[in-house]
Amino acid sequence: NAGVMQNPRHLVRRRGQEARLRCSPMKGHSHVYWYRQLPEEGLKFMVYLQKENIIDESGMPKERFSAEFPKEGPSILRIQQVVRGDSAAYFCASSPRDGLVYGYTFGSGTRLTVV
Amino acid sequence: AQTVTQSQPEMSVQEAETVTLSCTYDTSENNYYLFWYKQPPSRQMILVIRQEAYKQQNATENRFSVNFQKAAKSFSLKISDSQLGDTAMYFCATRPTGANSKLTFGKGITLSVRP
Repeated sequence: NAGVMQNPRHLVRRRGQEARLRCSPMKGHSHVYWYRQLPEEGLKFMVYLQKENIIDESGMPKERFSAEFPKEGPSILRIQQVVRGDSAAYFCASSPRDGLVYGYTFGSGTRLTVV
Repeated sequence: AQTVTQSQPEMSVQEAETVTLSCTYDTSENNYYLFWYKQPPSRQMILVIRQEAYKQQNATENRFSVNFQKAAKSFSLKISDSQLGDTAMYFCATRPTGANSKLTFGKGITLSVRP
């Protein structure tokens, strides 16, 4: 079991470009969560998705950010027209179903640097 | 809403000794879980230990144990026989037990184990 796979591990974008972050959940997991970690901060919730559904996007900035989890393929977090303040580590976690007891399984994150 | 406070930004401990990391939280929920996660330099978020709030018995996982004081809303982590591999950031987190709920993290504490 490969665990939660995130790629790329590091991503550098110039201001105004688009960033696409990918997350492949653990086999058998149908729930995906995205978190953002700013320097010297804990992880902040962004969005919770199930296959083809956004369940909770209360932590997503209203503009430029979007997320999807299609029926086939990885979950994608998309940031359009990136700005310096988007520089952070973005973590994906998955679980087999909601109401989990044991805590999510996290990926190793994607570190986005906007130059 | 939930908040998690980790007031110590960093701590240091001698190898083989015991260290306690503090965490307080606030929640309006009656039923919730509490977690400690470890984030080593590799950035992988690793679940260390979890506690169900309705259980009075403190959780234990090998060298890791918690001191859960529900009335005081305190959830400290004790690491016994500290090892060099314990050097990492440690995050305290909570989530309600209800459906579609999400993890709320503290800012974390950097633990250094000295040889």
